[in-house]
Parts: sequence; structure tokens; C-alpha cells
Amino acid sequence: GAVVSQHPSRVICKSGTSVKIECRSLDFQATTMFWYRQFPKQSLMLMATSNEGSKATYEQGVEKDKFLINHASLTLSTLTVTSAHPEDSSFYICSVTGDPTEAFFGQGTRLTVV
Amino acid sequence: SQQGEEDPQALSIQEGENATMNCSYKTSINNLQWYRQNSGRGLVHLILIRSNEREKHSGRLRVTLDTSKKSSSLLITASRAADTASYFCATDPIQGAQKLVFGQGTRLTINP
Repeated sequence: GAVVSQHPSRVICKSGTSVKIECRSLDFQATTMFWYRQFPKQSLMLMATSNEGSKATYEQGVEKDKFLINHASLTLSTLTVTSAHPEDSSFYICSVTGDPTEAFFGQGTRLTVV
Repeated sequence: SQQGEEDPQALSIQEGENATMNCSYKTSINNLQWYRQNSGRGLVHLILIRSNEREKHSGRLRVTLDTSKKSSSLLITASRAADTASYFCATDPIQGAQKLVFGQGTRLTINP
């Protein structure tokens, strides 16, 4: 299966700053990547679909200006949390989809906004 | 997207016992998948069962699918302490554009 690397694994930032999370597909060319958010002891909530070379598709209720997604190549998608606030603290996970729809996940990023 | 339902939300058993988790969903699907998540980590794919399959095995895992009831179960036999994790079902809806819909998850604890 695909190997997905997510960086950083943990980040602490000050309120009001921006944080960039990288998701790399190491051995698989991914035209589509998915970004999820997970609160403690809860399930994954899909935030957006990252599309290589075009705009991301955001799920209802997700602010596109706050969660900027860039998918500039077939192996890299980035999620930037802009003007972060404590309520943005969460676990963010990316994935790529293989065949048929088996998902391969990154290790996740624990974001803490102080 | 609508979340599937899983039960129980938490399950604690003794090592060596079998663990059964259930998942229900709402829409017609192409397939249903089960994933495992260790605390603070990403998800790992365990098994996929297609909509035209009723049962599938992989090692100590057994998955069933009942599309008429829109439900699935995951059985882990002869549990081990290392099986302690959260388990999620995920459905691939027929009109979902590759977007998986995850259940709420079951937190499984295996006591040595």
C-alpha cells in the first residue's frame, strides 16, 4: 500500500499565528488527498478534499479561508491553519486513497494552540 | 457527511477472549472497511469487504456484512494486549466520490 508521511507530528503555536502541516505520498502519485480533523475520543471528520493542480473542495461548515489547502504536486498537499485559536487545537490527519477505496493515512499532527 | 454508528463505544475484555464490534450505516455502499487507530496515531487499514460479499477473514479478524440491515461486525478472536486500540468502520458510499464515511469508533481495551 501507499506510504504517507505527515509532518510535523506535534506542533505548539501561539494564538494568532499560522501553522503549516505537510502530507507527502512517498510512493504513490495522488491526484486527490483528504484532510480530516479528529477531536479526542471522537471519529474522523472530513474537512476537505485536496485536488492536485486545482482548488480544494471543502466540506460544509469548514472555513476555506482559515484552513488553506495547497496541492501543488502529485506527492505533496499542505494544510495551513491561519490565525490559529485555541479552538483549532486538534488532531489533523491526511490520507490518500488507493484501489478500490482503501485509505492510507499519515501519522497525524497534534496541534496545540496556546 | 453523516457518521455511521458503532457499538459498543467502549469494550474491555480479558486477553484471550473474543471481541465483537458492530457498525451500522445509512446509505448504499460499494464496500465497507475497518481501520485500527492506536492512541495519537494515524489509522491503519485492516480489512475491506465489498457490498456483494457477506463474510471475510484475515488472520484473527472476521468481518461480516449484511447490506439488507446496513450493518457490519468485526470479530477479533483470541485477543491480545497489543490489540488495544480504537476501531473504526468506514463506508464507501455509491455516490460518495471516494469520500469514506467513518463510524464513531469502538475503544477496545484488552486486559492482560
